[in-house]
Amino acid sequence: NAGVTQTPKFQVLKTGQSMTLQCAQDMNHNSMYWYRQDPGMGLRLIYYSASEGTTDKGEVPNGYNVSRLNKREFSLRLESAAPSQTSVYFCASRLGRLNTEAFFGQGTRLTVV
Amino acid sequence: AQTVTQSQPEMSVQEAETVTLSCTYDTSESDYYLFWYKQPPSRQMILVIRQEAYKQQNATENRFSVNFQKAAKSFSLKISDSQLGDAAMYFCAYRSADQGGSEKLVFGKGTKLTVNP
Repeated sequence: NAGVTQTPKFQVLKTGQSMTLQCAQDMNHNSMYWYRQDPGMGLRLIYYSASEGTTDKGEVPNGYNVSRLNKREFSLRLESAAPSQTSVYFCASRLGRLNTEAFFGQGTRLTVV
Repeated sequence: AQTVTQSQPEMSVQEAETVTLSCTYDTSESDYYLFWYKQPPSRQMILVIRQEAYKQQNATENRFSVNFQKAAKSFSLKISDSQLGDAAMYFCAYRSADQGGSEKLVFGKGTKLTVNP
């Protein structure tokens, strides 16, 4: 089982460029999440999707958009990257019921110069 | 909104000794879950242990155990017989009880644990 797969693992962008971080899970999970991790800040929720067809803002959504393409895939888009978006991004998924745990991808280290 | 506080940015322990990482949280909910995650240098988030708020018994997973004090809103992690492989960032996290998928993990800022040989 691949679990939660994120691509790419590393990326360097110039300020103003756009890119999409991809996330896919093969566990038939209903809920998916995007977090960012910054030094000394822990993980903060950017957006989440409780189920296919729905998305909602988390704690730090500004500068990002998401798409729940289907049940498997949940992408995060930076339309105009800024240095403040330099971070490590994690995708996670969870069945969404029955007291199940969340599974995390390996993370994407994004640097905006 | 729920908050999670880890007051120890860094901790160190000697190999084979015991160390306790602190976590407090704030919530008005009565039903929820608490977690400790380990993040080694590989960046992978690894679930160490979980606790259901309705269970009074403290969770235990091999060398890892928690001290859950619901009234005090405290959830500390004890690592016994520390090993070099335990060196990592440890995150405490909170999640509301299941509500159809909209529940989110709320994380503390983390504690960096160093294990000295």
